[in-house]
Amino acid sequence: SQKIEQNSEALNIQEGKTATLTCNYTNYSPAYLQWYRQDPGRGPVFLLLIRENEKEKRKERLKVTFDTTLKQSLFHITASQPADSATYLCALSNQAGTALIFGKGTTLSVSS
Amino acid sequence: GAGVSQSPSNKVTEKGKDVELRCDPISGHTALYWYRQSLGQGLEFLIYFQGNSAPDKSGLPSDRFSAERTGGSVSTLTIQRTQQEDSAVYLCASSGLTRGSTDTQYFGPGTRLTVL
Repeated sequence: SQKIEQNSEALNIQEGKTATLTCNYTNYSPAYLQWYRQDPGRGPVFLLLIRENEKEKRKERLKVTFDTTLKQSLFHITASQPADSATYLCALSNQAGTALIFGKGTTLSVSS
Repeated sequence: GAGVSQSPSNKVTEKGKDVELRCDPISGHTALYWYRQSLGQGLEFLIYFQGNSAPDKSGLPSDRFSAERTGGSVSTLTIQRTQQEDSAVYLCASSGLTRGSTDTQYFGPGTRLTVL
């Protein structure tokens, strides 16, 4: 079965720096990969979706890359702000295409 | 409504009791999902509805768990004879496409279930 690893449980950076979060998966390569943000006590919120034929996708200060050879996605937040502090979740489609498989997330803390 | 809503927001119950958790998806969304999030764990898929049918219920952890959806809208997740290991946040999500997980999923705030 598909497994997802987000290799840092926690990441602490200073305001203004670029945060880089990693998502690795095993087994089959998904057609899509998604990133979500989750704040304490709330449900995840969709941020970006990248397809297998897209190497990179950007949205404002966010950038996602998808390397199907390495089976890895990188999620970057440039010019980070304390408001970016949250848990970020990587998610892939299951093989049946009926649900998302989520990583455990990386908790980002941006200090001012 | 504007988003996915869930009720109750918190539920405390005694071991052995039955509980019902409710999800109101975004109006018009055909796909509905239930996930469970335990402390320190990732989101665990439970069941997927397309309309009123559940083509994938492979994530339900035991036969004490069941879910239904009526009118292509509201869904109820029922846990019978609750156990302490059922304590978790139960999240519901909906999406607008007819084919499952490739679409953006919109999550509700979750129901925090505590089994004493």
